[in-house]
Amino acid sequence: EAGVTQSPTHLIKTRGQQATLRCSPISGHTSVYWYQQALGLGLQFLLWYDEGEERNRGNFPPRFSGRQFPNYSSELNVNALELEDSALYLCASSLQGFSNQPQHFGDGTRLSIL
Amino acid sequence: GESVGLHLPTLSVQEGDNSIINCAYSNSASDYFIWYKQESGKGPQFIIDIRSNMDKRQGQRVTVLLNKTVKHLSLQIAATQPGDSAVYFCAERDSNSGYALNFGKGTSLLVTP
Repeated sequence: EAGVTQSPTHLIKTRGQQATLRCSPISGHTSVYWYQQALGLGLQFLLWYDEGEERNRGNFPPRFSGRQFPNYSSELNVNALELEDSALYLCASSLQGFSNQPQHFGDGTRLSIL
Repeated sequence: GESVGLHLPTLSVQEGDNSIINCAYSNSASDYFIWYKQESGKGPQFIIDIRSNMDKRQGQRVTVLLNKTVKHLSLQIAATQPGDSAVYFCAERDSNSGYALNFGKGTSLLVTP
């Protein structure tokens, strides 16, 4: 069974640009979560999508947004990139959103802002 | 605000010994807890989870203990192997506040031969 897949693996942008990160959940999983892992820090929750709807968002500015497609894949968009947005962006999926099911992570997209 | 933290940032153990990684949490309403292992260049890998109605759960070579009275969580790894070297994160969730996980900063486990 394929795990959570994320693309691209690495992304280099400059300040003010926009970035799009993509995530494909494990087959059968309907919930997708996005987390930011800055260097030396733990994971910070960004967004949660379930059945195509945004269910919750973390303490991040509105320039962080995303969506979930009918096939449950998801993309994260970051507008007006700032230097501090440099981080590993991790996507996770779970079997059901409104239940205590473990989240399974992909290997992330490393976003570097120059 | 609520937080999840770890007692020790690094832990060094000898191969074959048992490892114990500790985690404190502050949200008394947390009802679900989970441990992840993250190796360099990879995403977090699910190890084991436990719900708040339990105080112990065992997996393959791992045991998670939950003490709700003192809001403490631990991960025990039996017969630690070099492949266990990684950063370990505990995470908690208060389902009434949504289903996102609140992660601690992690403990680095180094297994020496």
